[in-house]
Amino acid sequence: KAGVTQTPRYLIKTRGQQVTLSCSPISGHRSVSWYQQTPGQGLQFLFEYFSETQRNKGNFPGRFSGRQFSNSRSEMNVSTLELGDSALYLCASSFTRGGGTEAFFGQGTRLTVV
Amino acid sequence: GDSVTQMEGPVTLSEEAFLTINCTYTATGYPSLFWYVQYPGEGLQLLLKATKADDKGSNKGFEATYRKETTSFHLEKGSVQVSDSAVYFCALIHQAGTALIFGKGTTLSVSS
Repeated sequence: KAGVTQTPRYLIKTRGQQVTLSCSPISGHRSVSWYQQTPGQGLQFLFEYFSETQRNKGNFPGRFSGRQFSNSRSEMNVSTLELGDSALYLCASSFTRGGGTEAFFGQGTRLTVV
Repeated sequence: GDSVTQMEGPVTLSEEAFLTINCTYTATGYPSLFWYVQYPGEGLQLLLKATKADDKGSNKGFEATYRKETTSFHLEKGSVQVSDSAVYFCALIHQAGTALIFGKGTTLSVSS
């Protein structure tokens, strides 16, 4: 089974620009979550989508948005980029069954804002 | 709110040494608990999990037991290898939850 695929792996953007990151979950997984990883704040939850609906949202400004398509692929968008948005953005694909929820992560997209 | 606390790193060990990384949590109800590992330049890999009290998760020689009474989920390995050098994250998720809550991570460095 193919894993979680994130594209692109690396991005360099200028302050004020916007960026779109993509995530393809494991086949059959309907839940996709996004996390931001920085040295200072660690891993922080951005949002989660299930069947094209946002189910949960972390404490991030409205510049961070996402969506999910009918094939479960997800995108996240960051508008008006700031230097502090430089981070590793991780996507997780998950499923829930009797034994609880398991989340599987992609390799991440390294965003650098200059 | 819910939180996960891990021991501060880095942890530096010689090959074949015993490893313990402490993890405690604060949460209501009965969350599922996880250990993830991150190698340089990579995403997170699920190492092991436990979904209820007294469950023991194990994988690749690593073990952790879900202790409800002490709200802990300490990671252990009897004999570490150089290839175990990585950052380890303890995390929890609620039964009906959709967001993982992570500890700050513990860097492990193993030398030969």
